Amino acid sequence: AQTVTQSQPEMSVQEAETVTLSCTYDTSENNYYLFWYKQPPSRQMILVIRQEAYKQQNATENRFSVNFQKAAKSFSLKISDSQLGDTAMYFCALGRGAQKLVFGQGTRLTINP
Amino acid sequence: GAVVSQHPSRVICKSGTSVKIECRSLDFQATTMFWYRQFPKQSLMLMATSNEGSKATYEQGVEKDKFLINHASLTLSTLTVTSAHPEDSSFYICSATIPGGATDTQYFGPGTRLTVL
Repeated sequence: AQTVTQSQPEMSVQEAETVTLSCTYDTSENNYYLFWYKQPPSRQMILVIRQEAYKQQNATENRFSVNFQKAAKSFSLKISDSQLGDTAMYFCALGRGAQKLVFGQGTRLTINP
Repeated sequence: GAVVSQHPSRVICKSGTSVKIECRSLDFQATTMFWYRQFPKQSLMLMATSNEGSKATYEQGVEKDKFLINHASLTLSTLTVTSAHPEDSSFYICSATIPGGATDTQYFGPGTRLTVL
């Protein structure tokens, strides 16, 4: 069975600071994908970043980057220069192809002015 | 691109009635759609996988006779909550994948808040 664990229920930082959200996972698959989704108060799930497991290079999207450690099954998200609009629930997810996603419990991130 | 819509955005119904929720892929064809349920302050739990033209695959513990899923076209999947009860009150979210797409990414609808009185 595939599992995803987010050990930080809540985090809070000041605007412009850098914050890192943790995620660990377990899977027996060799080919899979990892995702970070953001769910703001509107509850619309928004893709933040994705990582293919076969790629060693860490994915980056503007202020968002990941630290993918395949052997350790770790997939953390770093948000640089945090903004008020980054306040949201963040979910780490594991999937394989066009198949179902397994989500972590979520981390509630608050960016304070 | 890759926009998914849901209708209605919120619905309130009486106990014992049935409610239908629509999920549409607006600018792409989706052979596979997923239905999730999210309780307050909790994560998303997959209910079923909906494949166009075939029966849905339900997750363990999800009553297929209560949560009817139909995926009659490449752009529309529906979830019908039959004989709804207060415990069915929740936030229901659908997602869709682009068939054969390199991204293997699920695109989510905005969700439907169901309240059963």
